[in-house]
Amino acid sequence: DVKVTQSSRYLVKRTGEKVFLECVQDMDHENMFWYRQDPGLGLRLIYFSYDVKMKEKGDIPEGYSVSREKKERFSLILESASTNQTSMYLCASSRTNIDTEAFFGQGTRLTVV
Amino acid sequence: AQSVAQPEDQVNVAEGNPLTVKCTYSVSGNPYLFWYVQYPNRGLQFLLKYITGDNLVKGSYGFEAEFNKSQTSFHLKKPSALVSDSALYFCAVRDYNYGQNFVFGPGTRLSVLP
Repeated sequence: DVKVTQSSRYLVKRTGEKVFLECVQDMDHENMFWYRQDPGLGLRLIYFSYDVKMKEKGDIPEGYSVSREKKERFSLILESASTNQTSMYLCASSRTNIDTEAFFGQGTRLTVV
Repeated sequence: AQSVAQPEDQVNVAEGNPLTVKCTYSVSGNPYLFWYVQYPNRGLQFLLKYITGDNLVKGSYGFEAEFNKSQTSFHLKKPSALVSDSALYFCAVRDYNYGQNFVFGPGTRLSVLP
């Protein structure tokens, strides 16, 4: 079974903390994505990566950074967590081929207090 | 830029009745369209996709979707709804002009009433 695994299902962090969200895929996919999901706003792209050490900003990159040192792992970093970053974070991966779907992790619900 | 609209925030249907969840899209070039489902506190699960060929696409769990190029629509359908189909549904288009990113609609919450 193909898998995208996010390191935590639920996280509670304090304002100002540095937060790491980890994502690992076992499908040898080239592309990896980080989205955040908020009610009524759907999924918004934070960052994506199409190769190791490559990254591109999505629609809402402010306050976030990413790291992709290995093909299977894509990390999202909140440099200094704020309460407006409380959200559901979803990692996904896909092949480069335009006709292929994305596979999602189970999501991390982050609460910043 | 590619975009996706889901005009209904909520769809209610009685169990056993047919269901439709609507999606319209705007793309430059050929559309690559996808439907996903999300159950509470879970990630998204892939249901089906349209790439080319037949306008009626069949997918998982008895779902199908009808592609209509003239109306730029890709509506999700099921002939007979189950209570267990209650979930959040997302339509998406793959944006090959922007890193092959997936652009999602805002989602439609489906409630199937017993």
